[in-house]
Amino acid sequence: GAGVSQSPSNKVTEKGKDVELRCDPISGHTALYWYRQSLGQGLEFLIYFQGNSAPDKSGLPSDRFSAERTGGSVSTLTIQRTQQEDSAVYLCASSTGLAGPWETQYFGPGTRLLVL
Amino acid sequence: RKEVEQDPGPFNVPEGATVAFNCTYSNSASQSFFWYRQDCRKEPKLLMSVYSSGNEDGRFTAQLNRASQYISLLIRDSKLSDSATYLCVVNMRYKLSFGAGTTVTVRA
Repeated sequence: GAGVSQSPSNKVTEKGKDVELRCDPISGHTALYWYRQSLGQGLEFLIYFQGNSAPDKSGLPSDRFSAERTGGSVSTLTIQRTQQEDSAVYLCASSTGLAGPWETQYFGPGTRLLVL
Repeated sequence: RKEVEQDPGPFNVPEGATVAFNCTYSNSASQSFFWYRQDCRKEPKLLMSVYSSGNEDGRFTAQLNRASQYISLLIRDSKLSDSATYLCVVNMRYKLSFGAGTTVTVRA
């Protein structure tokens, strides 16, 4: 079946512009996560959605970052007034939301963001 | 202090060799543990979960020591296709904390 998809695969933008990154999770997965991987760094948790519950936004690095999930499926991560330090690979993952801490998170191919 | 610390390597080994590496984690309340594999410019993919009793999947053996907060991965009979970055991952509820990765290169 189809895996997690993300778009665009690459995005180049100018400092100060807003960007939107999209994630389509695996069909039927209720849990959706966003992570960021900066050059030479480990993946960093950003935000978690589970069903209709309030999202866990504790990993968002600043108020320039926001995310929403419409209809319990597609999610959009928005970065306002981008800065050069926002350059990274943004990865989305999804999981069934049913298997507790041992369940597998499936990652999309990521969006490579470069802020000039 | 980082939540998950790994030896970055690189480990450069010949085909057929055994390679082992480990990581440590800081939060004793961590609930579950994994090794993910990440190929260059690709997304991470689950290699194996790591259970307290230790577990094996073919040529891969993972061990967990909760008392020392230490996780290990051993690869036997290395193949060229094992060349990748191996990510140590710790789960607190649903949040995955990733190590920066250990790079393994298997040479012919």
